[in-house]
Amino acid sequence: DAEITQSPRHKITETGRQVTLACHQTWNHNNMFWYRQDLGHGLRLIHYSYGVQDTNKGEVSDGYSVSRSNTEDLPLTLESAASSQTSVYFCASSAGTSGRNEQFFGPGTRLTVL
Amino acid sequence: SQQGEEDPQALSIQEGENATMNCSYKTSINNLQWYRQNSGRGLVHLILIRSNEREKHSGRLRVTLDTSKKSSSLLITASRAADTASYFCATALPSGAGSYQLTFGKGTKLSVIP
Repeated sequence: DAEITQSPRHKITETGRQVTLACHQTWNHNNMFWYRQDLGHGLRLIHYSYGVQDTNKGEVSDGYSVSRSNTEDLPLTLESAASSQTSVYFCASSAGTSGRNEQFFGPGTRLTVL
Repeated sequence: SQQGEEDPQALSIQEGENATMNCSYKTSINNLQWYRQNSGRGLVHLILIRSNEREKHSGRLRVTLDTSKKSSSLLITASRAADTASYFCATALPSGAGSYQLTFGKGTKLSVIP
C-alpha cells in the first residue's frame, strides 16, 4: 500500500545545530507540504512543492529550507535550530497539480530544541 | 490571520449522541475539507466539499457548506468512543498561477464518553 513516512519520529537537538527531517511518500504525488503544529496555532504551512525542483515558502518559512530532487522526498532542514522551533512537524502530499486536493499526512516528527 | 475557525473549541458528548462542529472562514474558497486527528497521530482526510456543493455525506458524516455565510458544519451521527479526536476544517485558497494552499483552523476537540 502507498504511504507517507517521516523520520525520525522523535528528535532532541541543541540550539544552533542543523537538523534535517525526512519525508518520503510512495503515492507518486506531485505535491508535498511541510506543516508545524503548535498548541493554540493549529497547523501552519512551512514550505511546499508542486513538483521536482519546485519549492515555495509558506506562512512560517523563516529558519527552514527544503529541496525537491525527486518525486518521493521532501526533506526539511532547520539551518540553525532555535527553541521556538520546538514543535510537531507533519509532512503531507497530494495528487494533481494545483494543491487543492485532499492531503495525505505522515505520522509526524516531534522535535525538541534545548 | 486564521482563515478557518472551528466552533466549539471542545465538545463532550455521550456515546450515541450526534456531534456538530462548525467552521467559519473569511474569503472565497475553492473547496473546504474536514480532517480528523487522533491523539499523537497525523491528520486523516474525511470529506472534501466544493464551493458549488451544499451538502455531502460519507457514512455517519454529513457536511454542509453555506458560501453566502462563509460557514460549514460537520455532523457525526450516532457517535462512538472511537470518534474521540480533534477535527479540523481546511479551506483551499488560491495562491497564484492556478495553485492553491490549504489553510487549517485550530480544531475542535471531541470527546465521546462511553
